[in-house]
Amino acid sequence: LAKTTQPISMDSYEGQEVNITCSHNNIATNDYITWYQQFPSQGPRFIIQGYKTKVTNEVASLFIPADRKSSTLSLPRVSLSDTAVYYCLVGERGGGADGLTFGKGTHLIIQP
Amino acid sequence: DSGVTQTPKHLITATGQRVTLRCSPRSGDLSVYWYQQSLDQGLQFLIQYYNGEERAKGNILERFSAQQFPDLHSELNLSSLELGDSALYFCASSPTSEGVYNEQFFGPGTRLTVL
Repeated sequence: LAKTTQPISMDSYEGQEVNITCSHNNIATNDYITWYQQFPSQGPRFIIQGYKTKVTNEVASLFIPADRKSSTLSLPRVSLSDTAVYYCLVGERGGGADGLTFGKGTHLIIQP
Repeated sequence: DSGVTQTPKHLITATGQRVTLRCSPRSGDLSVYWYQQSLDQGLQFLIQYYNGEERAKGNILERFSAQQFPDLHSELNLSSLELGDSALYFCASSPTSEGVYNEQFFGPGTRLTVL
C-alpha cells in the first residue's frame, strides 16, 4: 500500500485556482491515484482518478508527473462551497483493502 | 444524494451496550464498505462485503461485526461499547468488488455517541 502525504490544511480566496499536492514516493506500477472530497458531517464524494499525465473532468484536474511519485489536484476558480477536506488515495483498483485509510486529508478553507 | 441510505442518523447509548447500524446500498451495487471516522483517527476502513461474502478487512475491532444479507443490505454490529467508539460511521457501496481504489458512493453516515 503506497503511503501518501498531503498538507494538513490550506486556504485561498474565491475565484482563485487551488492546487493540492499529494506525495506517494513508493507508488506501485498498478496503482491509481484517487481523490475524494468531504463536507462536514457528510460522506466523502469521489472527485477524480488518474494513472498518469493529466485527467480533467467538470470538477477538477489531476496532474501526475512521469515518475508518478506525486500528484496535484487542481480546483479552478474556487468558491466558498469548495471549503472541504480533500483526500488522496493510492492503490490498485482490483487490489485488496489491507491497510486502506483515508487518513486526515487536506482541510481547504476558501475565504471571500 | 448518493443513493446509499443509512439508519439511524443519530444514536446515543451507554457504555457496555450493543447497537446495530444499517446500510442499504445503491440499486445494483454488490459491494458494501464500512468506515469509522473520529476526530483523532480520520476516516478508517473497517470491512468490505461483496455479494454476501466478506471481501476485505481493515482496522475492525473484535467487538465489531458485520454482515451482508441476500437483499444486499448490510448491518454493522457494535458491542460492549466504549466511550472511544463514539464516531461517525459511514457505509459506502460500489458496483463491483474492485471499488476500494475505484469510485465508491458514500451514505450520509450514522453519528454514534456513547455516554
